[in-house]
Amino acid sequence: KNEVEQSPQNLTAQEGEFITINCSYSVGISALHWLQQHPGGGIVSLFMLSSGKKKHGRLIATINIQEKHSSLHITASHPRDSAVYICAVRNRYTGNQFYFGTGTSLTVIP
Amino acid sequence: GAVVSQHPSRVICKSGTSVKIECRSLDFQATTMFWYRQFPKQSLMLMATSNEGSKATYEQGVEKDKFLINHASLTLSTLTVTSAHPEDSSFYICSARERGGGEDTQYFGPGTRLTVL
Repeated sequence: KNEVEQSPQNLTAQEGEFITINCSYSVGISALHWLQQHPGGGIVSLFMLSSGKKKHGRLIATINIQEKHSSLHITASHPRDSAVYICAVRNRYTGNQFYFGTGTSLTVIP
Repeated sequence: GAVVSQHPSRVICKSGTSVKIECRSLDFQATTMFWYRQFPKQSLMLMATSNEGSKATYEQGVEKDKFLINHASLTLSTLTVTSAHPEDSSFYICSARERGGGEDTQYFGPGTRLTVL
């Protein structure tokens, strides 16, 4: 069993739709990251969360520590949002260890 | 924000040769750098943790004699894939933790795609 589970694995949306990607984890964490990986492979860190909610432009990330769950929302989705979104958590008991989800592949159709 | 670069971005080599991949923190000092590999449609897998001036710590199952890591300075870590084999073909990504930053001040490089013929 993977320590980090994401859903859905694949997601296709029409431009303008509101999108939600979910992440559940089973370990105690010190922080959770949402990463974006474009088809070329490069990774961009979108958010680092340890509690509550963060917003950046059209992206919103929330985390519920008690429920061990985080969501990434994209408002007014655009084709350029098409990418793989990866949830990664840092295990609070092992310091350096990151656990990664397998990613959610998002395709936004014009 | 902080930037981490990798060089080269793509490399193709013959089986049996060695390939060096560089990871640089461009505008900050990184006491710790991490090396990951990613196979197609799979998640990132931590290979090793590299601390400046000391030996790297390898994850279980990663051959340290095959994947040589050198963290020579606070802004540069290198990964050398020795005697490369086709199954070493993968996407290699580094991340760097900023010196003096919190536990979670990590930045990812853009990755290096290695193809071994």
